[in-house]
Amino acid sequence: EVQLLESGGGLVQPGGSLRLSCAASGFTFSSYAMSWVRQAPGKGLEWVSDISGSGVSTHYADSVKGRFTISRDNSKNTLYVQMESLRAEDTAVYFCAKVGYCYTPSCPRDYWGQGTLVTVSS
Amino acid sequence: EIVLTQSPATLSLSPGERATLSCRASQSVSSFLAWYQQKPGQAPRLLIYDASNRATGIPARFSGSGSGTDFILTISSVEPEDFAVYYCQQRSAWPLTFGGGTKVEIK
Repeated sequence: EVQLLESGGGLVQPGGSLRLSCAASGFTFSSYAMSWVRQAPGKGLEWVSDISGSGVSTHYADSVKGRFTISRDNSKNTLYVQMESLRAEDTAVYFCAKVGYCYTPSCPRDYWGQGTLVTVSS
Repeated sequence: EIVLTQSPATLSLSPGERATLSCRASQSVSSFLAWYQQKPGQAPRLLIYDASNRATGIPARFSGSGSGTDFILTISSVEPEDFAVYYCQQRSAWPLTFGGGTKVEIK
């Protein structure tokens, strides 16, 4: 059974940093691209970033480019996102998702974690 | 950036009725469109990928159609557990984008 468990969310001041983790199990982690998608309170879904299975290829939304860094440790079956220079508009539930049905980072997100809440506020 | 516009914003239906949800892209996305279902407090669930392929475990009452710029998600007979928000998402070009969602509510 595929399981994705996010952690690391919390309250952070504007301008601060936070690192989210996503522990994966139930599949061959290194074979699949992974993704972060966020949802601001009461709003829709927003794609944040993707990373290939090897970790070589990454993509970012313009809203986070230069501030967020996606990475993965295939030996630990864990996905990360390092978030810097956080803003109030980054407040959201952050979901990690596994990419499936094909092997490029743009492929559909077939399994999702339950999300972790990041609140950026003074 | 490819903009996805979903309509209607809200669809009020009784159980057993047919649901037709629309997603229109600002430029062609070929068949690279997915549909997700999200219930309150839950993660999204993939229903349809590449316009018309049902994801694993998705009931046959869910179907997707379309290509290019116009796509439809159909629920042939809405069940009580289908009341939720539905999002479309394109993977034709970066940045990946989602539509604003359609809420299917109980009439």
